[in-house]
Amino acid sequence: DVKVTQSSRYLVKRTGEKVFLECVQDMDHENMFWYRQDPGLGLRLIYFSYDVKMKEKGDIPEGYSVSREKKERFSLILESASTNQTSMYLCASSGYEQYFGPGTRLTVT
Amino acid sequence: EDQVTQSPEALRLQEGESSSLNCSYTVSGLRGLFWYRQDPGKGPEFLFTLYSAGEEKEKERLKATLTKKESFLHITAPKPEDSATYLCAVGVIQGAQKLVFGQGTRLTINP
Repeated sequence: DVKVTQSSRYLVKRTGEKVFLECVQDMDHENMFWYRQDPGLGLRLIYFSYDVKMKEKGDIPEGYSVSREKKERFSLILESASTNQTSMYLCASSGYEQYFGPGTRLTVT
Repeated sequence: EDQVTQSPEALRLQEGESSSLNCSYTVSGLRGLFWYRQDPGKGPEFLFTLYSAGEEKEKERLKATLTKKESFLHITAPKPEDSATYLCAVGVIQGAQKLVFGQGTRLTINP
């Protein structure tokens, strides 16, 4: 069975904190993705990676960075969390079809 | 610019009442048309990939079809457990294969 896991289902952080969201896949996929999903705005791509140590900006990379040191793991970093980064964060991996994790609901207060 | 538009935004049906959801797209080079189902508070669940016009795929009460400009997700005799948001996406190549998503159709099936 396809499996993408995310480190937390719910997370509450304070403004200015550094936040790490982790994603692990067990399908040996080359490609991994980070999205955020907001009501009325749909799914928006933040960053993606097509190989270890490789990363590409998506549509809304500002305020975020990523790290991919191992093939199975892709981390999203909020350097200094702000209230407008309160959102549902979704990780996905793909060979061809993208498979999504369960999501992390992040609240920044 | 690659774009995906889904209609309607929301659809409410009675149990057993068949209908269709629409996904229209404009893309420079289509690398597949993808359908997902998303339940509230969860990640999208992959349903189908369609590659070329005329292709059809089925899964239980769902059937997806593809033309050169749009895709339809037909729901036959739906049940309340089919209630969810259905997302359509097109595949484009930019380094890796990326997906461009529509806004989704929120489907509610009343018993």
